[in-house]
Amino acid sequence: DGGITQSPKYLFRKEGQNVTLSCEQNLNHDAMYWYRQDPGQGLRLIYYSQIVNDFQKGDIAEGYSVSREKKESFPLTVTSAQKNPTAFYLCASSIPQTGNQPQHFGDGTRLSIL
Amino acid sequence: LAKTTQPISMDSYEGQEVNITCSHNNIATNDYITWYQQFPSQGPRFIIQGYKTKVTNEVASLFIPADRKSSTLSLPRVSLSDTAVYYCLVVGSGGYNKLIFGAGTRLAVHP
Repeated sequence: DGGITQSPKYLFRKEGQNVTLSCEQNLNHDAMYWYRQDPGQGLRLIYYSQIVNDFQKGDIAEGYSVSREKKESFPLTVTSAQKNPTAFYLCASSIPQTGNQPQHFGDGTRLSIL
Repeated sequence: LAKTTQPISMDSYEGQEVNITCSHNNIATNDYITWYQQFPSQGPRFIIQGYKTKVTNEVASLFIPADRKSSTLSLPRVSLSDTAVYYCLVVGSGGYNKLIFGAGTRLAVHP
């Protein structure tokens, strides 16, 4: 079955450490996205990529970095510059040709600080 | 980008029909109304999308009046498994359009 796989499901970060969250899709979608969700809140866009080797900052990109070297992969690095990284991180993908195409989401990675 | 307003929470009982209304007064001509469902510790799942009048699929119906300033998601005969957060979004159809998720409506279905 096609879908989006995020790993790991749970991740712990030490102070000053960078961590990388994995997102892989086999839906052959060109566009991929990273969102952050805090308890009781909606999703906020971190980064998005409409095509391989290109990505754009979302609303809350500070302290995060991404790469898009392959169509199926869009890893997110949470750097030590992100002072409040504890959150639920969601990756999504879509067909970008028109803006109203539904986004397909993975089941998230929950990041906590040790 | 149109902002949406929806109730923070709703309660229902198994077997009842649930209607969740969303207000989007500033909707633009090329905007679509889209609803997502999210269970705890999972990513949101697309439910339904519409532009005007009524759209129905195997999961829900979406009612949109002529002025398009509001919409109603209708879930027929809910079950306990419909307990989730429901998000109403307004999305443009041209080019890349950022999804803006509010806090959504927390629906609790009781036995």
